[in-house]
Amino acid sequence: DAGVIQSPRHEVTEMGQEVTLRCKPISGHNSLFWYRQTMMRGLELLIYFNNNVPIDDSGMPEDRFSAKMPNASFSTLKIQPSEPRDSAVYFCASSYRGGGANVLTFGAGSRLTVL
Amino acid sequence: GEDVEQSLFLSVREGDSSVINCTYTDSSSTYLYWYKQEPGAGLQLLTYIFSNMDMKQDQRLTVLLNKKDKHLSLRIADTQTGDSAIYFCAENYMEYGNKLVFGAGTILRVKS
Repeated sequence: DAGVIQSPRHEVTEMGQEVTLRCKPISGHNSLFWYRQTMMRGLELLIYFNNNVPIDDSGMPEDRFSAKMPNASFSTLKIQPSEPRDSAVYFCASSYRGGGANVLTFGAGSRLTVL
Repeated sequence: GEDVEQSLFLSVREGDSSVINCTYTDSSSTYLYWYKQEPGAGLQLLTYIFSNMDMKQDQRLTVLLNKKDKHLSLRIADTQTGDSAIYFCAENYMEYGNKLVFGAGTILRVKS
């Protein structure tokens, strides 16, 4: 398996533009997580899905952020409109939740810079 | 609430042992985890411990768990320059199913 695939790896955009980050989880995994990493706040959980259903979105900062998981092999995180304070590295992670330890596999991240 | 705390920075000499500490809040956590992040990469699982264990050893890594004090530590024996990275501890926050809450990370710097 190629692991968790995220795209784009780097994105530079201007304030007010829409940003869409994409994630392909590991085949067979049934949980998907979006995290944001910044120097100031560390690693924050934004939202997670079980079996494509959003379970906890309490970490989504505001209505400008939305996430979808239309099927088991694809998820998007959208920011509209983007602001400079959204600049961060966004990680997607997936796991198989079937009892036992919840071992997350992380993607390489999408580094977003909003000017 | 959810909170996982770690010291921010640790510097050791090559060959010495490193000990990274973490405190967590959710006493119902069934598993606690250590992840490693190298520059420009995502997090990778190092090891995890089930909450009914006090200690787990995996090659150069030793995890100690004190449930009473909600304290977790990671000891790296014979630390190498390749161990320089950010280390995160995480708890499985049970109130919301399989939500993993991470600490802010400890930067480990290994001097040769």
